[in-house]
Order: sequence, then C-alpha cells, then structure tokens
Amino acid sequence: GAVVSQHPSWVICKSGTSVKIECRSLDFQATTMFWYRQFPKQSLMLMATSNEGSKATYEQGVEKDKFLINHASLTLSTLTVTSAHPEDSSFYICSARYEGKAEAFFGQGTRLTVV
Amino acid sequence: AQKVTQAQTEISVVEKEDVTLDCVYETRDTTYYLFWYKQPPSGELVFLIRRNSFDEQNEISGRYSWNFQKSTSSFNFTITASQVVDSAVYFCALRGGSGGSNYKLTFGKGTLLTVNP
Repeated sequence: GAVVSQHPSWVICKSGTSVKIECRSLDFQATTMFWYRQFPKQSLMLMATSNEGSKATYEQGVEKDKFLINHASLTLSTLTVTSAHPEDSSFYICSARYEGKAEAFFGQGTRLTVV
Repeated sequence: AQKVTQAQTEISVVEKEDVTLDCVYETRDTTYYLFWYKQPPSGELVFLIRRNSFDEQNEISGRYSWNFQKSTSSFNFTITASQVVDSAVYFCALRGGSGGSNYKLTFGKGTLLTVNP
C-alpha cells in the first residue's frame, strides 16, 4: 500500500513552454502533498506544501507564479513549470501523506530538461 | 530551525563489509520524527524507517539496523554484510511532530554509498 505515482518520469521541453507534472496517490487519500526539487548530487529542497482544496504554501525563494501547484482532489496534485528556462532543469519529486501516518511516501520523480 | 547533518558525503566499501551512515540532527521540538530514505540511481525515494522522538529503542530489520541516541542527537544507520544492491544515496530526514507546517521534512545532504563486488 501507500503508492505514489508521478508522471511523466522524464520530459524535455523547449525554453518558454510550460510543463505539467502529475502526482497521484494510488491507494490512499492524500491529505497533504509536497513538491521537492533536487539538483544533481544534492539534497531535496522543499518547494511547496499543498492541502486538498486550498492554496499551496510555498517555501521562501520559490516563485509562486512560476511553479503553479494545484491540489484538486485527495489523490492528485499537479506542478506546472511555466515559461520554463534551462535553469529550471532539475529532478522534481512529490510526496504524499495521509492522516494518522507520520511518514510521507514519494513518487518516482520527474527529470525535467529544458533546452 | 531544524537541521540534519550527514557528514559523510561518500562511502565506498567492498561487498560483505559492514557500514555505518551517520546522521546528526538539530531541533527545538520536543516531539519529532526521524527517517531514513534510500534513493537508488533510478531516483525514487524508498522509505526505510521512521523513529519517534519518544522511542529510543534501537531497531533491526534484516541486515539493516538503526541506533537512535537522543543524548547525542544522532540517528545512525548500519548495513551489515553489505551487498552491491545497497549502492544508493541514503538520506536522513527530520520532521516536527505537531502537524501543520511541521509535516514537512528537512533532509540531510545524503550519503552516497558504493558497494563494490
């Protein structure tokens, strides 16, 4: 149980375009979802926390208008990278937790390359 | 503020050796949770263990064991008789226990473990 699926696994897009990444909890209702960014050989940096039906809470330094997060249902959150630039190239990974469970479960991650 | 320090950036061992990954944390919360995650080359994070701050009992799961020492704010992870499949980046993480923004995890920088045949 507690499976989180992220799609796509990798994506290449042109500079200036937008890319949407989906994060789904397959067998539980996720009260909270988290989006992280990871640069090569570095740790995970939290970008934002989202609760179903409410606006995401962004970490300091993360541009809300650039990284749009939508948590429309208890099983789906999306991250849209708008007007992507090469510096947005990174590994993006989501996690989800459900009420009563201390640990969060992670998706497979999405490797974004902006050319 | 919360902080997790994994002083070992990279460790290389030969198969069957035992290896310990260190984790030291800082928090002002009286209740908190500690975690270890494994990130293989494919990228996904695999949950290994959670430890509550009020439970200092050490845990063993197969070849894996964890040593939680509140007195030294450490939560070290030992792999016994390492195998090539253990090669991965291992992250130690911390979160507060009272909910709200405390649900977010603070990660260490990770330790890259390479097990050579």
